[in-house]
Amino acid sequence: QVQLQESGPGLVKPSETLTLTCTVSGFSITSGYNWGWVRQPPGKGLEWIGSVHHSGNSYYNPSLESRVTISVDASQNQFFLKLTSVTAADTAMYSCARVQTGMAGDHYYYYMDVWGKGTTVTVSS
Amino acid sequence: AIWMTQSPSLLSASTGDRVTISCRVSQGIDNYLAWYQQKPGKGPELLIHDASTLQSGVPSRFRGSGSGTDFTLTIDCLQSEDFATYYCQQYYSFPITFGQGTRLEMK
Repeated sequence: QVQLQESGPGLVKPSETLTLTCTVSGFSITSGYNWGWVRQPPGKGLEWIGSVHHSGNSYYNPSLESRVTISVDASQNQFFLKLTSVTAADTAMYSCARVQTGMAGDHYYYYMDVWGKGTTVTVSS
Repeated sequence: AIWMTQSPSLLSASTGDRVTISCRVSQGIDNYLAWYQQKPGKGPELLIHDASTLQSGVPSRFRGSGSGTDFTLTIDCLQSEDFATYYCQQYYSFPITFGQGTRLEMK
């Protein structure tokens, strides 16, 4: 059974860097999927952050691209989110997910089929 | 970016009811749409992809339909475990975007 578990600090100071870890169990992170992050600010909807393949190919939301890095440590079966220069607007529930992506005919598909429970991050001094 | 508008934002229903949730998209996306269910304290669960393909393990009372700009999630014969928040997501183009969610509550 595939499981994803987020971990990281619950509180980050403004202007600092947020780093979250997603630990994958029951499935190899090198088995052909992408691995991504989504966040949900309090009282708001879901916002896609981005995703990475174990080969290093990545996709990011343009609204966050200048501050975001998603990376993989295949030896630990983990992947990471790094978000720099955080502000109060980055306060959210952050969830990691396995991404089904590839080409079907002449178009790609991209949806998240397994999710972690999420971890709450508050940006405050 | 492609905007996704769900309606209603809040839906009250009873077990056994049939309910319909709408997702309207700001531009045509063919059938590149997924639906998710999220319960409090848990991550979202994929229900449907490609607008109408049921994800493995999802009960057949969940149905997706639509193409282009208008999509619908229908739940036949509501069960108690179906009271949750539902989101649509487009993957026609990057950035990936979601609807704002529809909370389905017990009447």
